[in-house]
Amino acid sequence: EPEVTQTPSHQVTQMGQEVILRCVPISNHLYFYWYRQILGQKVEFLVSFYNNEISEKSEIFDDQFSVERPDGSNFTLKIRSTKLEDSAMYFCASRKGSRNYEQYFGPGTRLTVT
Amino acid sequence: GESVGLHLPTLSVQEGDNSIINCAYSNSASDYFIWYKQESGKGPQFIIDIRSNMDKRQGQRVTVLLNKTVKHLSLQIAATQPGDSAVYFCAEPSRGAGNMLTFGGGTRLMVKP
Repeated sequence: EPEVTQTPSHQVTQMGQEVILRCVPISNHLYFYWYRQILGQKVEFLVSFYNNEISEKSEIFDDQFSVERPDGSNFTLKIRSTKLEDSAMYFCASRKGSRNYEQYFGPGTRLTVT
Repeated sequence: GESVGLHLPTLSVQEGDNSIINCAYSNSASDYFIWYKQESGKGPQFIIDIRSNMDKRQGQRVTVLLNKTVKHLSLQIAATQPGDSAVYFCAEPSRGAGNMLTFGGGTRLMVKP
């Protein structure tokens, strides 16, 4: 069964450093998402991406964040200058099409900012 | 404000018993809901969904009930097993261009052997 994959599984970085989290969505899916989950809290939406552009973003997704689909398979989230409060699990998700709301989530990347 | 939310943070049940996890929503125009299961260290996993034109939907050992009058939905798990131990979230897609999901706070289900 196809699945969303994410790398790395755990990323440790120093405050102020740039990080890139990588995702490979399910191949025939058209909608892509990033969510984050601070330890012990609920999953929060960051950004959605469709047709090579951002379709929706939350207040969390400020100028320090960017997304890119550099080729036909990868979907990346970049945090330009990490802050301590960026420490969280980051989940990538993908969805097949406009009539199907089910999003498939990857296993997540645990980001630790020290 | 938040559209979906959970009543209880933790639910402890005996193996073999039935579990009921509840969720409330505030927008009467909401027309689609999804239940996700999240095991420790993993991403959310789709369990079952329901549209507002239905009151009940059944899957394998799971049933979702939707009460539009009181804006409440529940997830029922029959014959709960240790493998059901996880955090359960209800979620609702937005009507925006990206149909992003808004998750409730989650209920932790603990199954006692």
